[in-house]
Amino acid sequence: GAGVSQSPSNKVTEKGKDVELRCDPISGHTALYWYRQSLGQGLEFLIYFQGNSAPDKSGLPSDRFSAERTGGSVSTLTIQRTQQEDSAVYLCASSSPLAPGQFSYEQYFGPGTRLTVT
Amino acid sequence: QQQVKQSPQSLIVQKGGISIINCAYENTAFDYFPWYQQFPGKGPALLIAIRPDVSEKKEGRFTISFNKSAKQFSLHIMDSQPGDSATYFCAARWGAQKLVFGQGTRLTINP
Repeated sequence: GAGVSQSPSNKVTEKGKDVELRCDPISGHTALYWYRQSLGQGLEFLIYFQGNSAPDKSGLPSDRFSAERTGGSVSTLTIQRTQQEDSAVYLCASSSPLAPGQFSYEQYFGPGTRLTVT
Repeated sequence: QQQVKQSPQSLIVQKGGISIINCAYENTAFDYFPWYQQFPGKGPALLIAIRPDVSEKKEGRFTISFNKSAKQFSLHIMDSQPGDSATYFCAARWGAQKLVFGQGTRLTINP
């Protein structure tokens, strides 16, 4: 079946411009996550959506970053007034509801959007 | 305390050898420790995971060893193959389903 998809795959933008990154999770997955992966670094948690609950925004690095999830499916990560330090790969992941006996949700990752701020 | 320290940053192993990647953590509230494998241009994919009440888990050539008292865990890849060349991330779960990741290890298996 179809996995997590993200668009665009690459985005080059000028410093100060706003960008929107899109994530299409796996159908039926109720949880959606955004991470940032800087060059040679691990993944940094940004935000987490679970069903209709209020999102966990504790990882957003500044108020220039925001995300929404419409209809419990597609999510958009918006970065306003981009800075050069925002250059990174932005990864989206989704996970399904917990099955009986399952201890933890497996997060399925998309291929990421490589953002370059010039 | 929301950190996982991973080593080495890079590792070169001969085909057929054993690859070992280590991770350490401080937060005893972590309750789930997955390992992810990432190929260039792809997102990470879950490889194997362990709970802290288990000391070892094996799936095929991949084994996690977990030392709760030392707050360390490691990934062992037996009979390493060129197709195993990738970046590996350890992670730990905290706060519902949030994961904190190590810095990653770039593994190269020489044929």
